[in-house]
Amino acid sequence: GESVGLHLPTLSVQEGDNSIINCAYSNSASDYFIWYKQESGKGPQFIIDIRSNMDKRQGQRVTVLLNKTVKHLSLQIAATQPGDSAVYFCAEIDGGYQKVTFGTGTKLQVIP
Amino acid sequence: GAVVSQHPSRVICKSGTSVKIECRSLDFQATTMFWYRQFPKQSLMLMATSNEGSKATYEQGVEKDKFLINHASLTLSTLTVTSAHPEDSSFYICSAIDRGGTSTEAFFGQGTRLTVV
Repeated sequence: GESVGLHLPTLSVQEGDNSIINCAYSNSASDYFIWYKQESGKGPQFIIDIRSNMDKRQGQRVTVLLNKTVKHLSLQIAATQPGDSAVYFCAEIDGGYQKVTFGTGTKLQVIP
Repeated sequence: GAVVSQHPSRVICKSGTSVKIECRSLDFQATTMFWYRQFPKQSLMLMATSNEGSKATYEQGVEKDKFLINHASLTLSTLTVTSAHPEDSSFYICSAIDRGGTSTEAFFGQGTRLTVV
């Protein structure tokens, strides 16, 4: 059967509060990063991306921050809603877009 | 936006049989597709990179004779799990790269839940 594997870290947030999900990436040569949202039983959905020549990018309710010095990405979700409950993965992409490498993921639980 | 369709979404098969999973890019041509495997509560692990018209590149530890990949056209890649065993039960996800337009983006299929009994 399937392996048990590691449990994903879980972030519990009250509805309406802001959420911050963190991710460390491994390859200093990666120049493109994406945050994905994955709901149970579904494939990953694109949320927001950022290129390595930027340190911040904002979407509708989401902001991604990139710190290349410490190889760290964060995803900020403003006014978190129950529909935001999912697992969030960061992904780093190499320069030639030959490979997408995913981080370990964080489960976001929104408490109504 | 670009859409990737993966089929079937769920499949149950008997141990020893083979299962084919299809991944189609619906409104763009995908010269490169990726196949991932995901165990419960874990991240997506890249199995192989599929390039149209050439042999797939497998990640270390992935048996190419067990997980057959065919990328015969610019819109279709297939993953066949041969002689499936219960330990092959997992969630398989494909991704296709759209290099058209001004940006490059990866789009994901809905995933296939494989259960081998």
